[in-house]
Amino acid sequence: QQQVKQSPQSLIVQKGGISIINCAYENTAFDYFPWYQQFPGKGPALLIAIRPDVSEKKEGRFTISFNKSAKQFSLHIMDSQPGDSATYFCAASITGGFKTIFGAGTRLFVKA
Amino acid sequence: DAGVTQSPTHLIKTRGQQVTLRCSPKSGHDTVSWYQQALGQGPQFIFQYYEEEERQRGNFPDRFSGHQFPNYSSELNVNALLLGDSALYLCASSSRTSGSTDTQYFGPGTRLTVL
Repeated sequence: QQQVKQSPQSLIVQKGGISIINCAYENTAFDYFPWYQQFPGKGPALLIAIRPDVSEKKEGRFTISFNKSAKQFSLHIMDSQPGDSATYFCAASITGGFKTIFGAGTRLFVKA
Repeated sequence: DAGVTQSPTHLIKTRGQQVTLRCSPKSGHDTVSWYQQALGQGPQFIFQYYEEEERQRGNFPDRFSGHQFPNYSSELNVNALLLGDSALYLCASSSRTSGSTDTQYFGPGTRLTVL
């Protein structure tokens, strides 16, 4: 019940295309859903996050879509660029809690 | 403003040895969480420290222990190292007193190799 399942494991997208990464969770107590971007040799960096009271959040080229009833959320990267090539992790936590549960990650490669 | 810093960057140990990893949180942050990230996997929560106390522990054995100092910096200790402990160890800081516990900032990690 503490898991966050992420798909796909890897993704290849043409430059300018849309990258879509999906996540699903079981624990309905989760109320904070961040996405992290990690480059090789670096720690994860917070990209964008959403709470269940909204169905979509957009920041620049990055959009989170959230489906509370299906317990699913996804990251859309519009106009994908080679610099977006990285590993992306979805995560979930409970506000005021202590731990964040991460998905297994998606390796994105954007072809120039 | 320095972000989260970790030391050392890399470490090589042999089975059975003990290791200590260090973390300095982002300025203004009072909470430190430790994660283990195996190759090709997502980070796994080890434990979180706030007010110098361990607040919650993930599914890790007692060989993993930690400490938080009055200046909010933290150490992760691993005893009796196993080959399976080889991983990237990440420290993340946040601010509980400001109510921003959800927003975590990660350090670059310490790459531990156990031979």
